Amino acid sequence: AQTVTQSQPEMSVQEAETVTLSCTYDTSESNYYLFWYKQPPSRQMILVIRQEAYKQQNATENRFSVNFQKAAKSFSLKISDSQLGDTAMYFCAFMNTFTIQGAQKLVFGQGTRLTINP
Amino acid sequence: TAGITQAPTSQILAAGRSMTLRCTQDMRHNAMYWYRQDLGLGLRLIHYSNTAGTTGKGEVPDGYSVSRANTDDFPLTLASAVPSQTSVYFCASSDSLAASWDEQFFGPGTRLTVL
Repeated sequence: AQTVTQSQPEMSVQEAETVTLSCTYDTSESNYYLFWYKQPPSRQMILVIRQEAYKQQNATENRFSVNFQKAAKSFSLKISDSQLGDTAMYFCAFMNTFTIQGAQKLVFGQGTRLTINP
Repeated sequence: TAGITQAPTSQILAAGRSMTLRCTQDMRHNAMYWYRQDLGLGLRLIHYSNTAGTTGKGEVPDGYSVSRANTDDFPLTLASAVPSQTSVYFCASSDSLAASWDEQFFGPGTRLTVL
């Protein structure tokens, strides 16, 4: 079974700084997807960024980027120019390759609570 | 569009009582899921459904049951609640019949406290 580990329960940085959240995972699969979800105090789960394991290029979405190290099974999230609105719980998640007519089951890490201070 | 709605928003339940958490989506997604979120454990899959009429067990199915009578609704039932089922419950859906990966959309969650 796949496992996802986030070793940083909490992090705190000043506004405009860059912060990196860590995530490691364990799988015997060669093809899969990795995700970062954001959960602000509103409790809504928001997809931040995704990475396909077969792609060597790291995904980027505006101020959010990942460092995907497949051999090391590491998937970190970098937030540049952090903003107060980035304050949230962040979850790393793993999903096996899409299967026709199969449910896409996500395996989540424990979460990292990120606080951006003014 | 409403996306995914869940009801109730929160509930306090006496141990031993039964409860059904409701989930409805209006995106015509074939797949639906139930997760529970607990501090320090992240979200864990309880049950899922690939399509109407079929369901499957996730990582933590004990004490829960689901049904999928139609595409839109996916209720989660606790037959006899216990305090360890105190949690925040999220319903989600996705279009897993798409040609490639499709985003899993989450509802707003139900906070359940079992006393």
